[in-house]
Amino acid sequence: AQSVAQPEDQVNVAEGNPLTVKCTYSVSGNPYLFWYVQYPNRGLQFLLKYITGDNLVKGSYGFEAEFNKSQTSFHLKKPSALVSDSALYFCAVRSFGGYNKLIFGAGTRLAVHP
Amino acid sequence: GAVVSQHPSRVICKSGTSVKIECRSLDFQATTMFWYRQFPKQSLMLMATSNEGSKATYEQGVEKDKFLINHASLTLSTLTVTSAHPEDSSFYICSGKTSGGHQETQYFGPGTRLLVL
Repeated sequence: AQSVAQPEDQVNVAEGNPLTVKCTYSVSGNPYLFWYVQYPNRGLQFLLKYITGDNLVKGSYGFEAEFNKSQTSFHLKKPSALVSDSALYFCAVRSFGGYNKLIFGAGTRLAVHP
Repeated sequence: GAVVSQHPSRVICKSGTSVKIECRSLDFQATTMFWYRQFPKQSLMLMATSNEGSKATYEQGVEKDKFLINHASLTLSTLTVTSAHPEDSSFYICSGKTSGGHQETQYFGPGTRLLVL
């Protein structure tokens, strides 16, 4: 069965510093991986996805994620954090079969301090 | 990215009444839509998968007679919470799935906050 783990409940970063939000996955076969961001009282916004190809995926708002097959990881990164990046981040993997529903991690709250 | 809307964004109702939430894909056709529930500071819990023109598929533990789903067109799915009770108070989020084989992506609505008094 597919699963996703986000080991950190919260990540604290100073503005201007690089940020990393961790995600590891467990799937049989090739993974389809996604990152979403959620601002307070809002739905999820799509950031980026990995389907195939380059291991470094670039997404919205300057975010990127690196797919590492040997470590089964898909960490979200940004070179220079902004206070406005503070939000809840979800990693997800697509399950296969049925309607290809997404399986979400528990979420990681990113707090960027001025 | 594709846009999904939800209406209403917030609703307060009395216990025992029914509430309908609409989910629309504005710039794409969504053969499949998903309904999620999110409790405070928690991840999304998939409630059901809604398919245009057919019955919804409910996740284990979700009462299909309480959470009625109708996917009448390729751009509209509705979730009706019947005989709502305070424990149904939650944040409900829908998503639409774009077509495109392995490139398909789910795009989410802004959510509906339901408060049952």
